[in-house]
Amino acid sequence: SAVISQKPSRDICQRGTSLTIQCQVDSQVTMMFWYRQQPGQSLTLIATANQGSEATYESGFVIDKFPISRPNLTFSTLTVSNMSPEDSSIYLCSVGRGGRSGYGYTFGSGTRLTVV
Amino acid sequence: DAKTTQPTSMDCAEGRAANLPCNHSTISGNEYVYWYRQIHSQGPQYIIHGLKNNETNEMASLIITEDRKSSTLILPHATLRDTAVYYCIVRVEDGSSNTGKLIFGQGTTLQVKP
Repeated sequence: SAVISQKPSRDICQRGTSLTIQCQVDSQVTMMFWYRQQPGQSLTLIATANQGSEATYESGFVIDKFPISRPNLTFSTLTVSNMSPEDSSIYLCSVGRGGRSGYGYTFGSGTRLTVV
Repeated sequence: DAKTTQPTSMDCAEGRAANLPCNHSTISGNEYVYWYRQIHSQGPQYIIHGLKNNETNEMASLIITEDRKSSTLILPHATLRDTAVYYCIVRVEDGSSNTGKLIFGQGTTLQVKP
């Protein structure tokens, strides 16, 4: 399975600022996803990062708040913009190779964000 | 929205089999069932997945009913390290592009007790 390096692993940020999280994969992957996990909650899918085109956002998430880039098949970034304390969460990158045979998806260890 | 329903929590005695149920009554014919677990403060870990047939690997077994409306994850000999939140997920397919996304439900918190 793919190995994911996610940076930073944690950060404490001031409200009103922005943080960019990086996701680097050790091999080319078809699919890359960004999730948010609020304290004590399950994972919520933010968006699918599409290589060379705009990300596909889930209901309740918008590009202005969570801009995503994916310049190639091994790298993506998620920016959390104009942060407020409600954005304090763990943000996780996930990758998959796709296909009808149902390949497994791998998750990074996450970025723990605290907004003060 | 998640397409699965799981019990909120379960207990299991160490060394015994842990059987975690999942209902996915609205599953479509080409949608896979995935199981992941999350140990505190870590990213979700892949356990197993299946489409129609029962599956087994070194971690667990997945039993899918014939009508595919439910499944059971079996940890044959639970240890204290298996204490985690277990997520049953139906992969949502993305049209004809042979890709799909995982939409997580609330999961089952499994507590393995000595």
